[in-house]
Amino acid sequence: EAQVTQNPRYLITVTGKKLTVTCSQNMNHEYMSWYRQDPGLGLRQIYYSMNVEVTDKGDVPEGYKVSRKEKRNFPLILESPSPNQTSLYFCASSLWRPNSAYEQYFGPGTRLTVT
Amino acid sequence: SQQGEEDPQALSIQEGENATMNCSYKTSINNLQWYRQNSGRGLVHLILIRSNEREKHSGRLRVTLDTSKKSSSLLITASRAADTASYFCATDAGSQGNLIFGKGTKLSVKP
Repeated sequence: EAQVTQNPRYLITVTGKKLTVTCSQNMNHEYMSWYRQDPGLGLRQIYYSMNVEVTDKGDVPEGYKVSRKEKRNFPLILESPSPNQTSLYFCASSLWRPNSAYEQYFGPGTRLTVT
Repeated sequence: SQQGEEDPQALSIQEGENATMNCSYKTSINNLQWYRQNSGRGLVHLILIRSNEREKHSGRLRVTLDTSKKSSSLLITASRAADTASYFCATDAGSQGNLIFGKGTKLSVKP
């Protein structure tokens, strides 16, 4: 089954304790992206990647890191989480070709609480 | 950079009625997509309409695009309780494939 998986699904942590949220897709997609969703603000892009070893900042990258060492995986790293990073996080993937449009497939989400 | 704005923010209708949601955006686009999100879950792609298309259908969904007015609408005909969800428009304006999402319309369909 074609899918995007995220782990963990729920996480409660404390300020400053480094954490990683994993994202994996089995569709051989070139493009992967991380979003955060907050009430009243909609989905905002954190980082994206158009292929292995190619990553770039989205609209709200501060406080986050990513890496793309393998095509299927795109982990999101919070080196020193703060309470304002409490949010619902989504990973998404899609095919990618220049100037072409493709639907994005979303993971089930990770609900993060930082106290 | 919020590109799309959905209207209304919330919509409540009875089963069997049609639901219309609108999306306005600010800059030229390559394509516009609509997604559905059930409460707290991942978004699911509904339909994609390219900038050179004016209307597209998929089952009970009808999407229109007016690039001169920078707006799109999503019509769900004969709505069902299972259509209760939030609906987002997303625009693709660049070459990187990035989508910019609006804040969504929350649709409630009452049985």
